[in-house]
Amino acid sequence: DAKTTQPNSMESNEEEPVHLPCNHSTISGTDYIHWYRQLPSQGPEYVIHGLTSNVNNRMASLAIAEDRKSSTLILHRATLRDAAVYYCILRDTPSSEYTGGTSYGKLTFGQGTILTVHP
Amino acid sequence: KAGVTQTPRYLIKTRGQQVTLSCSPISGHRSVSWYQQTPGQGLQFLFEYFSETQRNKGNFPGRFSGRQFSNSRSEMNVSTLELGDSALYLCASKFGSPYEQYFGPGTRLTVT
Repeated sequence: DAKTTQPNSMESNEEEPVHLPCNHSTISGTDYIHWYRQLPSQGPEYVIHGLTSNVNNRMASLAIAEDRKSSTLILHRATLRDAAVYYCILRDTPSSEYTGGTSYGKLTFGQGTILTVHP
Repeated sequence: KAGVTQTPRYLIKTRGQQVTLSCSPISGHRSVSWYQQTPGQGLQFLFEYFSETQRNKGNFPGRFSGRQFSNSRSEMNVSTLELGDSALYLCASKFGSPYEQYFGPGTRLTVT
């Protein structure tokens, strides 16, 4: 799995936007960019994923650089509940996965970014 | 729909013993993966099961093993426990989507 680099920690104030960066200079053409987060005392939680285009969902937005060597997870209005460790993960998705014949569940987690949200 | 459940939530064992942890995936999910989380090593992939077959394995010794049943429930076993096996063991399931995995709350294993 290609390597990602994230800042160890970031801080934000409640109701302000948060931009969490991730560098992945060795990304390959078939690597998807995944983001998971882990709240205190819980298992990781899926946030968002993308390949080339920017993506939005109810939780966050994912901005992907044109050369795909970096990406940014955007929380539009941070809440106290968003305080967590955020993991940026690259994962190749073999074409066979789409047939349902096999399933590749391995996620390679780095150290992630600890996000602190101040009231 | 109920989430991924793991039992027990907490466990204390002594060195040399063995332990079995259980994971029930979300209904309809056929893939179950296991991870170990420690302060020093972070989250590390142990293995993945799909349709009762191990599909992928991480870099862990043979003392770590697992299996999956026909109802997709999975168990992992650690034999001859060592102090370094103290960790949070997480189970994750997915249906077949290559993207979203759903994690359980984990089993906190303490080896004394």
